[in-house]
Amino acid sequence: AQSVTQLGSHVSVSEGALVLLRCNYSSSVPPYLFWYVQYPNQGLQLLLKYTSAATLVKGINGFEAEFKKSETSFHLTKPSAHMSDAAEYFCAVNRRGGNEKLTFGTGTRLTIIP
Amino acid sequence: NAGVTQTPKFQVLKTGQSMTLQCAQDMNHEYMSWYRQDPGMGLRLIHYSVGAGITDQGEVPNGYNVSRSTTEDFPLRLLSAAPSQTSVYFCASIRAGGAGNEQFFGPGTRLTVL
Repeated sequence: AQSVTQLGSHVSVSEGALVLLRCNYSSSVPPYLFWYVQYPNQGLQLLLKYTSAATLVKGINGFEAEFKKSETSFHLTKPSAHMSDAAEYFCAVNRRGGNEKLTFGTGTRLTIIP
Repeated sequence: NAGVTQTPKFQVLKTGQSMTLQCAQDMNHEYMSWYRQDPGMGLRLIHYSVGAGITDQGEVPNGYNVSRSTTEDFPLRLLSAAPSQTSVYFCASIRAGGAGNEQFFGPGTRLTVL
């Protein structure tokens, strides 16, 4: 079975500062990893996903994530936070060769301080 | 394309009442699923379907029924609502055949059970 752990249910950063949201995964086979974003009162939207040998994945809105097998991590980063980045972010995992069922983390709420 | 649509957006029920949450997608996706989102718990899978006429239970199926008579529609039925079912419900669809495929989410239904 696979799982993900998101460290920090709430993260606050100043506008213009680095955003770092942490995700660690557990999977018995090589995983597929996803980051989704949820803006207030909306559904989830895919930010980026890791499904290949390219360990650095670039997504929408300037976000990127690096797959590190040795650390079982897939942390989400953005060099400079913008007010519009305020949202809840979910890490999710699936296993290669598996079905379509995703396992989600508990989420991290990102607040941007003006 | 409308993507994934859900109705209603908001609903208030009394304990013991029944209702159906509607979900429809126009992307011809084989796989559809229902999640509930509760604070601090992320998204938890209720039921899913891999095609018309085929459904299965997820992580938290008790108190809910589903059916899939067409590819497009996947309604979720609450048989006898309980306060513990107060939550935000999301429907999602995905093209089958790849665990690395993106799930598309509807805007959600916010349900309160009094």
